[in-house]
Amino acid sequence: SAVISQKPSRDICQRGTSLTIQCQVDSQVTMMFWYRQQPGQSLTLIATANQGSEATYESGFVIDKFPISRPNLTFSTLTVSNMSPEDSSIYLCSLLQHEQFFGPGTRLTVL
Amino acid sequence: EDQVTQSPEALRLQEGESSSLNCSYTVSGLRGLFWYRQDPGKGPEFLFTLYSAGEEKEKERLKATLTKKESFLHITAPKPEDSATYLCAVQGTSGGSNYKLTFGKGTLLTVNP
Repeated sequence: SAVISQKPSRDICQRGTSLTIQCQVDSQVTMMFWYRQQPGQSLTLIATANQGSEATYESGFVIDKFPISRPNLTFSTLTVSNMSPEDSSIYLCSLLQHEQFFGPGTRLTVL
Repeated sequence: EDQVTQSPEALRLQEGESSSLNCSYTVSGLRGLFWYRQDPGKGPEFLFTLYSAGEEKEKERLKATLTKKESFLHITAPKPEDSATYLCAVQGTSGGSNYKLTFGKGTLLTVNP
């Protein structure tokens, strides 16, 4: 399976600021996804990001809060905008290569 | 809406003590049921996909089975390195992305030497 890396691995941010998380894959993939794993909660899909088209957001998630870019077949970014403590979570990108494989995650703490 | 419930929330075993983890699900149409392993500070690691009731898959000390309502992850003679959180997810045919995975909260397995 493809190797997935995320940057940063963790960050501590102030309320009201924004953070952009990068996801890099070592091979070309069509479908990438962004998930959130809040403390004590299930992994939840935020959006699907296909190269060349707008991201598709799941119910409860909006583009203004979580803008996503997918400039090519090996890279995607997720921005968490105007952060509040409720956004403290682990954010994971994943890709589809027959199965869904996940990156190592970005642990975000908002103070 | 697809739902997944995993039990128990936590399980502590002695090395060599076999047991099973449960994943109960409701889904309008099942595309697949997935098992992942997640170690602390890491992303989920893919283990198995099951597509239809009666299907079984094995990998080392792990065996996954599927019925129309639930899946079991059987762990035979576990070792301390099997300690992790095991996640179950379903992919259904209704609503949202065709590839959306709906996850349970996981079972934290600890295997003591």
